[in-house]
Amino acid sequence: DAGITQSPRHKVTETGTPVTLRCHQTENHRYMYWYRQDPGHGLRLIHYSYGVKDTDKGEVSDGYSVSRSKTEDFLLTLESATSSQTSVYFCAISVSTSGSPIYEQYFGPGTRLTVT
Amino acid sequence: AQKITQTQPGMFVQEKEAVTLDCTYDTSDPSYGLFWYKQPSSGEMIFLIYQGSYDQQNATEGRYSLNFQKARKSANLVISASQLGDSAMYFCAMREGGISSGSARQLTFGSGTQLTVLP
Repeated sequence: DAGITQSPRHKVTETGTPVTLRCHQTENHRYMYWYRQDPGHGLRLIHYSYGVKDTDKGEVSDGYSVSRSKTEDFLLTLESATSSQTSVYFCAISVSTSGSPIYEQYFGPGTRLTVT
Repeated sequence: AQKITQTQPGMFVQEKEAVTLDCTYDTSDPSYGLFWYKQPSSGEMIFLIYQGSYDQQNATEGRYSLNFQKARKSANLVISASQLGDSAMYFCAMREGGISSGSARQLTFGSGTQLTVLP
């Protein structure tokens, strides 16, 4: 258990409304990521963070913004939700286990977002 | 061009048989890592196995092994002695950049293979 929680777990919202998803980790990991998962596409990176207030864009960042004011929280905001943003959103952290130099990513439980 | 290609949208295997899930990748970076994740119907992403581009031996973790063929740019997952609980979506992913790059590098995922284990 990598100690990652996401909230909300499910949300239905209307087109044009702002939405914020929260990712919370309890173990002080530096790197955090937001992915979206859509059928036929696997997971695609939206944004990632390499420290407090340090973020960068991923492959599908248009229409999304992020913020990280504390190490433990990484927020994903849809400024004006569109139907194309209906998806499952996963937060991830990068973890080295058992002293290994390999940094696998551990994922949160996901947030299912529906934009009507 | 696709960086990670999984050509099998769906696979079936009989319980207790072995199954190979295909993954090919494309990168010009000499240092990279390849990951496999399992996503059961409950939705969580479970890390299974890792192979580094400079690793001399194929990775193994219990019933999972990775058939790494560098020249062919393939990293197929082999599951031995399939169990009903292995039914899930399986994703291959790649991180470009070496280990010294730390955890900064994001993963690029394939589109997944849905594995169904038949009793």
